[in-house]
Amino acid sequence: EVQLVESGGGVVQPGGSLRLSCVTSGFTFSSHWMTWVRQAPGKGLEWVANIKQDGSQKYYVDSVEGRFTISRDNAKNLLYLQMNSLRVEDTAVYFCARDVGASGDFGLDVWGQGTTATVSS
Amino acid sequence: DVQMTQSPFSLSASVGDRVTITCRASQSISTYLNWYQQKSGKAPKLLINAASSLRSGVPSRFSGSGSGTDFTLTISSLQPEDFATYYCQQSYNNPYSFGQGTKVEIK
Repeated sequence: EVQLVESGGGVVQPGGSLRLSCVTSGFTFSSHWMTWVRQAPGKGLEWVANIKQDGSQKYYVDSVEGRFTISRDNAKNLLYLQMNSLRVEDTAVYFCARDVGASGDFGLDVWGQGTTATVSS
Repeated sequence: DVQMTQSPFSLSASVGDRVTITCRASQSISTYLNWYQQKSGKAPKLLINAASSLRSGVPSRFSGSGSGTDFTLTISSLQPEDFATYYCQQSYNNPYSFGQGTKVEIK
């Protein structure tokens, strides 16, 4: 069974850091682009970042550029999101998701259940 | 960056109704357009990619159309399990962006 399971969420003060992890199983992790998507309480989906199969290309939404870093460990089938200089507006459920196929431009077909990051003083 | 705009923001409909949701891109995105369904407290589910390609296991009452900047998601006969929020997403240019969502509620 194809599965994604996120962890690492929690409560942190503004300016703090969190590292989210996404453990994957049931598919060839190294063959897919991977993506992080977030959803603030009561709000819509926001695409956050994605990473190519070999980690050579990474893209970010403007609001997190320079503060968040996406990475992956293909040997361990793990996806990460390092979040630094956190702001109140980063409070959200964070989902990891698998991109369809090898090209990464046909949507997100497998999602985790999400992990919640709360930034509050 | 490409901006995605959905309409309406919400709609009320009855079981059996035909429902159409519109998504507009701020620039041409060819057919790099995906549709998702999200139910409360759950992860989104990919319904349609490449503007009109129905994903395996998705009921045929769902269909997508469009190219360039204007796209539609149609539910031909709304069923009780279809009440949810629907999002479009462009995958033409990074950062890949979502529309703001359309909530489909029971009338």
